[in-house]
Amino acid sequence: EAGVVQSPRYKIIEKKQPVAFWCNPISGHNTLYWYRQNLGQGPELLIRYENEEAVDDSQLPKDRFSAERLKGVDSTLKIQPAELGDSAVYLCASSSWAGPQPYNEQFFGPGTRLTVL
Amino acid sequence: ELKVEQNPLFLSMQEGKNYTIYCNYSTTSDRLYWYRQDPGKSLESLFVLLSNGAVKQEGRLMASLDTKARLSTLHITAAVHDLSATYFCAVDNNNDMRFGAGTRLTVKP
Repeated sequence: EAGVVQSPRYKIIEKKQPVAFWCNPISGHNTLYWYRQNLGQGPELLIRYENEEAVDDSQLPKDRFSAERLKGVDSTLKIQPAELGDSAVYLCASSSWAGPQPYNEQFFGPGTRLTVL
Repeated sequence: ELKVEQNPLFLSMQEGKNYTIYCNYSTTSDRLYWYRQDPGKSLESLFVLLSNGAVKQEGRLMASLDTKARLSTLHITAAVHDLSATYFCAVDNNNDMRFGAGTRLTVKP
């Protein structure tokens, strides 16, 4: 079974430029998460989707960040314009409540390492 | 607000030795996860702990959960070099997942 796919794996841009990240979750997973992981820290949730609906975007800096999940499958996270402090690894994860397990195990993609110069 | 604290943040140990990583959290939860992350790689799920007193073991790693103390431990037995990685605990509070800062483990020969 294919895991969570993210692209690009690495991105280097200059400040004030736009950037976009793409995520393809595990087939059948209705919940999709975007996290930001700063160097030496744990992941921090930016936004969570249930199907195509953003149900938790309280930590998303909405002045410059946007996300969409069209048709409830793939998702795109955009930053415009990027700032120096946005340099981090952006992780996508997916999960599904379907099945016998009483918990919501998240499966993570490889991440996109963003460097803003 | 749910807070998750891990200690130590850095751990250097000799092969063959035992050690414990601690994870404290601030609010009631009965779902705790341990993940492993290798440099430049993503997070790999190790354990899911769902109830007070839960204990899970896989190879040289054993995780436990005390919901009353709001504490989980990850115990390493007879460490080997392959265990070198960063270990994260994460607490799920009504689908709001909060991660600790991670423990960077280095196992030296």
